[in-house]
Amino acid sequence: DTEVTQTPKHLVMGMTNKKSLKCEQHMGHRAMYWYKQKAKKPPELMFVYSYEKLSINESVPSRFSPECPNSSLLNLHLHALQPEDSALYLCASSHQGGLPASYEQYFGPGTRLTVT
Amino acid sequence: SQQGEEDPQALSIQEGENATMNCSYKTSINNLQWYRQNSGRGLVHLILIRSNEREKHSGRLRVTLDTSKKSSSLLITASRAADTASYFCATDSGAGSYQLTFGKGTKLSVIP
Repeated sequence: DTEVTQTPKHLVMGMTNKKSLKCEQHMGHRAMYWYKQKAKKPPELMFVYSYEKLSINESVPSRFSPECPNSSLLNLHLHALQPEDSALYLCASSHQGGLPASYEQYFGPGTRLTVT
Repeated sequence: SQQGEEDPQALSIQEGENATMNCSYKTSINNLQWYRQNSGRGLVHLILIRSNEREKHSGRLRVTLDTSKKSSSLLITASRAADTASYFCATDSGAGSYQLTFGKGTKLSVIP
């Protein structure tokens, strides 16, 4: 199974809502990532989890709260978002070990988030 | 700042022609990867080339890497309409980080 799944596919939320994005992989990958991608732009790294511990936080606002409950799951909790947070949110995973970043990342299909 | 910069930003070719995309980067790297993204979907890994490699092939894909010029190229031969997508290069920081930085991408349109 070389698939990364993300739910939901689409999400519309108001600025006062609390919602969560979910990501799952069963490839035994121990590195998992959240990216944000605006239209016609490249993905921008938000968070990296390594062995279920947060290893990189790219100065993301606290209204985004990541969580890695176990080695297969990655969540992104959303609260009090702004309209400019509307984007495609991508989850990815990769092997870990040996030289960092020497492994391909497997991406999920993304969650299209619209903040109204 | 963006590590990888692709050019051209957009490329339109006829089916059967070859497509070449270029990527330049600024700092030393361990490896460089190319990804494809169909409209509004997740990215798909195409090929990884390590800093000590100069050329790599995978099916209709050919990637070159010139570390002295800090540049890479992706050649897609005998293009198909299904190759229509955005193509991104991605580099690591070369500093032991898991972080990949993506270039701005080239949007390829293959006309049947």
